[in-house]
Amino acid sequence: GAVVSQHPSRVICKSGTSVKIECRSLDFQATTMFWYRQFPKQSLMLMATSNEGSKATYEQGVEKDKFLINHASLTLSTLTVTSAHPEDSSFYICSARKQGPGELFFGEGSRLTVL
Amino acid sequence: DAKTTQPTSMDCAEGRAANLPCNHSTISGNEYVYWYRQIHSQGPQYIIHGLKNNETNEMASLIITEDRKSSTLILPHATLRDTAVYYCIVRPQNYGGSQGNLIFGKGTKLSVKP
Repeated sequence: GAVVSQHPSRVICKSGTSVKIECRSLDFQATTMFWYRQFPKQSLMLMATSNEGSKATYEQGVEKDKFLINHASLTLSTLTVTSAHPEDSSFYICSARKQGPGELFFGEGSRLTVL
Repeated sequence: DAKTTQPTSMDCAEGRAANLPCNHSTISGNEYVYWYRQIHSQGPQYIIHGLKNNETNEMASLIITEDRKSSTLILPHATLRDTAVYYCIVRPQNYGGSQGNLIFGKGTKLSVKP
C-alpha cells in the first residue's frame, strides 16, 4: 500500500511555544490530506481538511488561528500548533487520499506533549 | 456521528478466527464498508473494503449481508499482533474535492490472548 510519513513521531515542548508537524505522502501525490486528533482512550476526531494550493477547511470547534495548516505541495502538508498549551497535548494523525476512489492512508501519528 | 455500531470489546484465542461484527443499518446504496485497525500509539491501518460482495485479501475477509445492513470482518488465524482497535466505517467510494474523510466511531477493541 501507499506510504504516508509523519515527523516528528514524538515532541515535547514548553507551554507557549509553537510546534510544526509534517505529513508526507512518499509514493503518491495527494491533493487532499486530513488532520485528526486523538485523545487517550478516544477515537480519532477530524480537525481539518488540507487542500493543496488553497486554504484548509476546519471542522467546527477547531481554531484555525491556533492550528495552522499549510499544503504547499502535492506531497507535503504541515500542521503548526501555535502557542501550545497542556490541553493541546494529544496524538495528531494525518491521512492522505490517492487520486480517484479508494482507501485513505494514514501516517504513524505524532504525539505532542506540552509541559 | 459514526453510522456504524460495533461491540466495545472482544477476546480471541491466538490461532483461532476472530469474527468482528458491525451494524450499518442506514447504509446508502453508494456507500462502501471500510475496515481499519489501530494498534496502540500508531496511525490507523487499512484492512479491507467492500460494497456488497464478499471480499478477501491477505489480511482478512469481509462478509457483507445481502441486505447490506451488517458485515463481519474475519481474521482467519489471529495472532498476538492483531490486538488492536478495529473500526468499521461506511462512506461513498466516489467523492471529489475535499470529501472522503473517514468518520471514526469507537471501534471494537480486540484482544488476542495466548
